[in-house]
Amino acid sequence: AQTVTQSQPEMSVQEAETVTLSCTYDTSESDYYLFWYKQPPSRQMILVIRQEAYKQQNATENRFSVNFQKAAKSFSLKISDSQLGDAAMYFCAYRSARNAGNMLTFGGGTRLMVKP
Amino acid sequence: GAVVSQHPSRVICKSGTSVKIECRSLDFQATTMFWYRQFPKQSLMLMATSNEGSKATYEQGVEKDKFLINHASLTLSTLTVTSAHPEDSSFYICSVQRGPSYEQYFGPGTRLTVT
Repeated sequence: AQTVTQSQPEMSVQEAETVTLSCTYDTSESDYYLFWYKQPPSRQMILVIRQEAYKQQNATENRFSVNFQKAAKSFSLKISDSQLGDAAMYFCAYRSARNAGNMLTFGGGTRLMVKP
Repeated sequence: GAVVSQHPSRVICKSGTSVKIECRSLDFQATTMFWYRQFPKQSLMLMATSNEGSKATYEQGVEKDKFLINHASLTLSTLTVTSAHPEDSSFYICSVQRGPSYEQYFGPGTRLTVT
């Protein structure tokens, strides 16, 4: 079974600074997808960024980028120019590419606080 | 992306009663939907995978007779918590799967409180 680990229960960043959230995963598969989701106080889960394991290039979405290290099974999220609205819980998630009905496996989450 | 709604957003019920939560995919037809449960300050726990026109697939430890799932159409899945007890109080979230990476898009969640 796959597991996803987020080793930082809480992180803090100054507004306008950069922060990196860590995520590692364990799998024996070679083809899979990785995601970062944001859950603000409203509790609405929002997809932040996705990465296909077969792609070597790191995904970026505006101020959000990932550092995908397949051999190390690491998938960290970098948030640049942090804004107050970035304060939320962030969940890393893994999905096998094997079939269409596969579930997401979530990490335990990291609470990000942004200081003005 | 995908637009997903849930109804109700909050519900309070008495112990022993049943409550139904609806999950709707508003902008596309979803053959697969997922139901999660989230306790305070914890991650999401998958309860079941809902498949249109067939029986749901439940995760280990989830009682299928207590958490009834019906996915009767491509836009609607329902979760019914039967004979609810206070320990069933939680935040319930549904999602639909869409896109080339099978990413999931989530509803806004339903907070259930059983008194």
